[in-house]
Amino acid sequence: RKEVEQDPGPFNVPEGATVAFNCTYSNSASQSFFWYRQDCRKEPKLLMSVYSSGNEDGRFTAQLNRASQYISLLIRDSKLSDSATYLCVVPGPNQGGKLIFGQGTELSVKP
Amino acid sequence: DAGVIQSPRHEVTEMGQEVTLRCKPISGHDYLFWYRQTMMRGLELLIYFNNNVPIDDSGMPEDRFSAKMPNASFSTLKIQPSEPRDSAVYFCASSLAATEAFFGQGTRLTVV
Repeated sequence: RKEVEQDPGPFNVPEGATVAFNCTYSNSASQSFFWYRQDCRKEPKLLMSVYSSGNEDGRFTAQLNRASQYISLLIRDSKLSDSATYLCVVPGPNQGGKLIFGQGTELSVKP
Repeated sequence: DAGVIQSPRHEVTEMGQEVTLRCKPISGHDYLFWYRQTMMRGLELLIYFNNNVPIDDSGMPEDRFSAKMPNASFSTLKIQPSEPRDSAVYFCASSLAATEAFFGQGTRLTVV
């Protein structure tokens, strides 16, 4: 299994739809996870941190399944402005502070 | 805080030339990361530092790449000699105690 793996998409959804992305990871010792958002030609920016079973922030919900080693990001009532690439981030092995990014999942929300 | 500051924002250079990218992390952060992003390979970690000490440089593609962090507020990534396949966006990021990382705006490098 790759250190971090995401479905690259693109996911094309209409406004108002609910969309979910999954991310699998190989390091079973990882304790904290992150979802980042990257707009075209911009730097990645933190969207959510996931330290326990999950986290919710408005329309966004992140869930962690340690047994199956995956995290998910759910976006409800999607907006045009949600169009971006969503990157899953997992700490590297040995708790050394290394952060490993997935390839990203591209989301396009259409009117 | 101004965030992570990178310079230059854009760099166009000829093959064979030396390129130096610069980064100023967020004050107080103890981790600094250099990433490279291309369409084909996504975001790759090149090297990272903890308290100015390189911890893992396994992502540095070859000896043409080198990185330094002489103090807590400055780091450089150098490519010598540069090649067209080095063309990419290079991001610097910093974090506190290995939590979430904050990125600079990146340097878009084009080697012709």
